[in-house]
Amino acid sequence: GAVVSQHPSWVICKSGTSVKIECRSLDFQATTMFWYRQFPKQSLMLMATSNEGSKATYEQGVEKDKFLINHASLTLSTLTVTSAHPEDSSFYICSARALRGHTDTQYFGPGTRLTVL
Amino acid sequence: AQSVAQPEDQVNVAEGNPLTVKCTYSVSGNPYLFWYVQYPNRGLQFLLKYITGDNLVKGSYGFEAEFNKSQTSFHLKKPSALVSDSALYFCAVRDLSSGTYKYIFGTGTRLKVLA
Repeated sequence: GAVVSQHPSWVICKSGTSVKIECRSLDFQATTMFWYRQFPKQSLMLMATSNEGSKATYEQGVEKDKFLINHASLTLSTLTVTSAHPEDSSFYICSARALRGHTDTQYFGPGTRLTVL
Repeated sequence: AQSVAQPEDQVNVAEGNPLTVKCTYSVSGNPYLFWYVQYPNRGLQFLLKYITGDNLVKGSYGFEAEFNKSQTSFHLKKPSALVSDSALYFCAVRDLSSGTYKYIFGTGTRLKVLA
C-alpha cells in the first residue's frame, strides 16, 4: 500500500513554455501532498505544501506565480512550472501524507526530471 | 530550530559486513524520525520510522535503526550489507514546531557496498 505515482517521469521543453507534473496517490487519500526539488547530489528542498481544497503553502524563496500548485482532489496534486527557463531544470519529487496508525508518513513518487532547453 | 544532521557524505562497506549510517537530530519535544533510501533517478522509498516505543525499529530490506534519546541519534543499521544496498540514504524528522506535517531532511549519505 501507499503508492504514489508521478507523471511524466521526464520531460524536455523549450524555454518559455509551461510544464505540468502530476502527483497521484494510488491506493490512499491524501489531504496533504508536498513538492520537493532536488539538485544533483543534494538533499531535497521543500518547495510547497499542497492541501486539498485550499491554496498551497509555499516555502520562503519559492515563487508561487512560477510554480503553480493545484490539489483538486484527495488523490491528485499538480505542479505547473510556468514560463520555464533552463535554471528550472531539476528533479521534482512529490510526496503524499498517509495516516498510518497514530502518525503520518510521507510516501514519495518516483520523481520527474525536467530539462529546459 | 529543529534539524537533522548526517555527518558522513559517504560510507563504504564491504559486502557481508555490518553497516551503519549515522543521523543525529535536534528537536523540541518528542521526535518523529524517519529513514528513506533513494536509488539513482528515483524518488525516496520509506524504510522505517520511530514514533514511540521500542528503541530498536525494524524496517524494510533488513534495515533497522536505533533511537538513542540521550545521544539524540537515530543511526541506520544492517547486519550484513548487500551490493544492492548501495544508494543514497536520508534521515528525516517531522517538523513539529511549524504546525504542519513538513519533514526536515538531512543532507543524505551515499552508501557504497563493495563486492
